[in-house]
Amino acid sequence: AQSVTQPDIHITVSEGASLELRCNYSYGATPYLFWYVQSPGQGLQLLLKYFSGDTLVQGIKGFEAEFKRSQSSFNLRKPSVHWSDAAEYFCAVTGFQKLVFGTGTRLLVSP
Amino acid sequence: GAGVSQTPSNKVTEKGKYVELRCDPISGHTALYWYRQSLGQGPEFLIYFQGTGAADDSGLPNDRFFAVRPEGSVSTLKIQRTERGDSAVYLCASSPGTSGTNEQFFGPGTRLTVL
Repeated sequence: AQSVTQPDIHITVSEGASLELRCNYSYGATPYLFWYVQSPGQGLQLLLKYFSGDTLVQGIKGFEAEFKRSQSSFNLRKPSVHWSDAAEYFCAVTGFQKLVFGTGTRLLVSP
Repeated sequence: GAGVSQTPSNKVTEKGKYVELRCDPISGHTALYWYRQSLGQGPEFLIYFQGTGAADDSGLPNDRFFAVRPEGSVSTLKIQRTERGDSAVYLCASSPGTSGTNEQFFGPGTRLTVL
């Protein structure tokens, strides 16, 4: 069965500092991987996705993620965090229609 | 254009009551998904529709939960004899098709509280 692990429940980053959110997945075949962001009172918004090809994918809002098959990881990165990035971030995998989400990482941005 | 909408945004009910949650997908999207998000958790799949039919309802927790999409657009999630454990945010998503490469667009959710 597919599963996603996000080992960090909370992360605090200073504004302007770099960010890396970890995601590990379990899936037997080539996975389709996603990162979503959820702000309070907002729906889930897709940041980026990986299906195949280049293992470094670019997304919206300056985010990128790197797929590493050997480590079953799909970590999300941003070189310089803005206060508006404070939100909950979810990694997800799908192999057949439905999305399987991790438990999320809450990002706090300190001034 | 309009995104996915869900009504009501908040629903408070008493244990044992019946509730209906509505989802209006993006126009033209053939696939519709329901997820449930409990506090501190990621969304969990409940059911998805391709057109009018439920293609996969394996995530429905028990027979108190039922969903319909009679005309292939609007969907209603129905919960009978609600229990306190049903309290969660219920999310709806739609996509242009059911390929795994299709992005799912999410609505803002309905927060259900069972007292």
